[in-house]
Amino acid sequence: ETGVTQTPRHLVMGMTNKKSLKCEQHLGHNAMYWYKQSAKKPLELMFVYSLEERVENNSVPSRFSPECPNSSHLFLHLHTLQPEDSALYLCASSQRDRGTEAFFGQGTRLTVV
Amino acid sequence: AQSVTQLGSHVSVSEGALVLLRCNYSSSVPPYLFWYVQYPNQGLQLLLKYTSAATLVKGINGFEAEFKKSETSFHLTKPSAHMSDAAEYFCAVSEPGGGNKLTFGTGTQLKVEL
Repeated sequence: ETGVTQTPRHLVMGMTNKKSLKCEQHLGHNAMYWYKQSAKKPLELMFVYSLEERVENNSVPSRFSPECPNSSHLFLHLHTLQPEDSALYLCASSQRDRGTEAFFGQGTRLTVV
Repeated sequence: AQSVTQLGSHVSVSEGALVLLRCNYSSSVPPYLFWYVQYPNQGLQLLLKYTSAATLVKGINGFEAEFKKSETSFHLTKPSAHMSDAAEYFCAVSEPGGGNKLTFGTGTQLKVEL
């Protein structure tokens, strides 16, 4: 497999559930990102991991918990979400050097009911 | 902080007509700029990028963009639209420092009509 792979592609969860989104990159990159894409809003950067260390957390609520066990894998653990958290969650990877392009996965469409 | 403005959330063109999608940026440092395309229910795919080399950048699928520092613009063009170009297009600027974070514009939905 090549590129950036996200699983699952679709997820429906209740507000009391706990679930995890998974992202895997096969590009040899050393930085990984989580973005949130909601309708009619710009893509929002949630978390940045560089060399497996979290270097950015853009005021994301604690009900979202990222994990980066190694340079190829990134998780987003979800618990007690709200309906307004329903969105497309996109994972991306790149080299950490500024100016290099980011490669995106196909996203996980999350619906909180 | 860097920012990106995309004028026109929806653009409609006829097949074969010129495509022009506008992007203006603000940046306190020399910018790195990108155009991405997103098809329905898909992730973002890189069309082209500007990283301070040639000001006219050619990308995939016949798209190109010109960096104009005096106008702080990086507009995306394609001479002749094809039905398969219908998608959402995002302009982005790379933040300085702290890795390679991208700040995106709000996107422009391109519709191509027969």
